[in-house]
Amino acid sequence: GQQVMQIPQYQHVQEGEDFTTYCNSSTTLSNIQWYKQRPGGHPVFLIQLVKSGEVKKQKRLTFQFGEAKKNSSLHITATQTTDVGTYFCAGQGAQKLVFGQGTRLTINP
Amino acid sequence: EAGVAQSPRYKIIEKRQSVAFWCNPISGHATLYWYQQILGQGPKLLIQFQNNGVVDDSQLPKDRFSAERLKGVDSTLKIQPAKLEDSAVYLCASSLSPSFFGSYEQYFGPGTRLTVT
Repeated sequence: GQQVMQIPQYQHVQEGEDFTTYCNSSTTLSNIQWYKQRPGGHPVFLIQLVKSGEVKKQKRLTFQFGEAKKNSSLHITATQTTDVGTYFCAGQGAQKLVFGQGTRLTINP
Repeated sequence: EAGVAQSPRYKIIEKRQSVAFWCNPISGHATLYWYQQILGQGPKLLIQFQNNGVVDDSQLPKDRFSAERLKGVDSTLKIQPAKLEDSAVYLCASSLSPSFFGSYEQYFGPGTRLTVT
């Protein structure tokens, strides 16, 4: 079945450093979504990418969708303590949305 | 706009007991999802409803888990009997109906943290 893998599983950075998480799907996706889950909270939608090679920006966050529509990345420039949390990608396959295991970001102020 | 409501927020039961969770989606959202999130993992889809019909329940352990969505609005998820490995957060989410080109963003409720002892 469809699998979505994320790396790294954990990332600890100093405040102000950049952060990137990568997402890979075993199958071609129709779209990919990114969610953020704060500690003790629930996933909150960040963005959806649909087109091959698409790049979208939200302030310090940059999201990319691969040309083959099987991988994606999220890059945060100059992290802030408010960026702490777990970032999940979720790939939409033929039948359903499958979540990756997430990348947990912690930040040293 | 009210968000997705879930109750209870926390539940502690002994193994072999039964438990039920309730979810009220955002008004107008035809699609409702139940996820299981084990600590340190991503949400795992248990069941997806479109109105009151089941779209996907391929990962629902049907020997112990059941779910229904009467009248296409509220939904309940039941576990009977519970096992230790069922300890997790159970998340309910809702969205507009998926379009031909893909899915819409999902809005998650606060979840129910279940501990089975």
